[in-house]
Amino acid sequence: ILNVEQSPQSLHVQEGDSTNFTCSFPSSNFYALHWYRWETAKSPEALFVMTLNGDEKKKGRISATLNTKEGYSYLYIKGSQPEDSATYLCAGSYGGATNKLIFGTGTLLAVQP
Amino acid sequence: DGGITQSPKYLFRKEGQNVTLSCEQNLNHDAMYWYRQDPGQGLRLIYYSQIVNDFQKGDIAEGYSVSREKKESFPLTVTSALKYPTAFYLCASRETGCGETQYFGPGTRLLVL
Repeated sequence: ILNVEQSPQSLHVQEGDSTNFTCSFPSSNFYALHWYRWETAKSPEALFVMTLNGDEKKKGRISATLNTKEGYSYLYIKGSQPEDSATYLCAGSYGGATNKLIFGTGTLLAVQP
Repeated sequence: DGGITQSPKYLFRKEGQNVTLSCEQNLNHDAMYWYRQDPGQGLRLIYYSQIVNDFQKGDIAEGYSVSREKKESFPLTVTSALKYPTAFYLCASRETGCGETQYFGPGTRLLVL
């Protein structure tokens, strides 16, 4: 059974702090790693998709890295803002064309003004 | 506006009753997916469909049924056989052969009376 793990489970930071989360995933038959942001009462929003070892993606103050050999990805938020408060989900896809995603349980970020 | 809609937002099921959750997309995506979220767990795949008139079981398909008669619609029926149906249900879609990102609807919360 494939298992994707995220840590920490939750995180409280002050506005302006930088923070990062971890996603660990099985390396065997790995195809792609996805990060989503899920705000309360909204749809999960895709942030990044990464496939290659060493991939780095950036979107504004948020960036992500991928290590497929050791099976982990980091999500970084620079200078957290209250609007960054959300649950951040990572998911690994295995099996190629079918794009079946295996999700972690998420990291809940609360940014205090 | 292109997107994925799910209805209703809340659904109540009586014991012994089948209920159907709606998922519609106007993104012209070929693939569609149903996920279930339970507290403390990652999203788990119920069923997916890569093309009209075809669908496959996911990891937790027992007690559910789907149909894919039209490209834009992928309804999920929660049958009376499912013992613990209370959960949050998310529908997603993806354009096959054009990246890996799945786009999600806002979800339906199913409650049992």
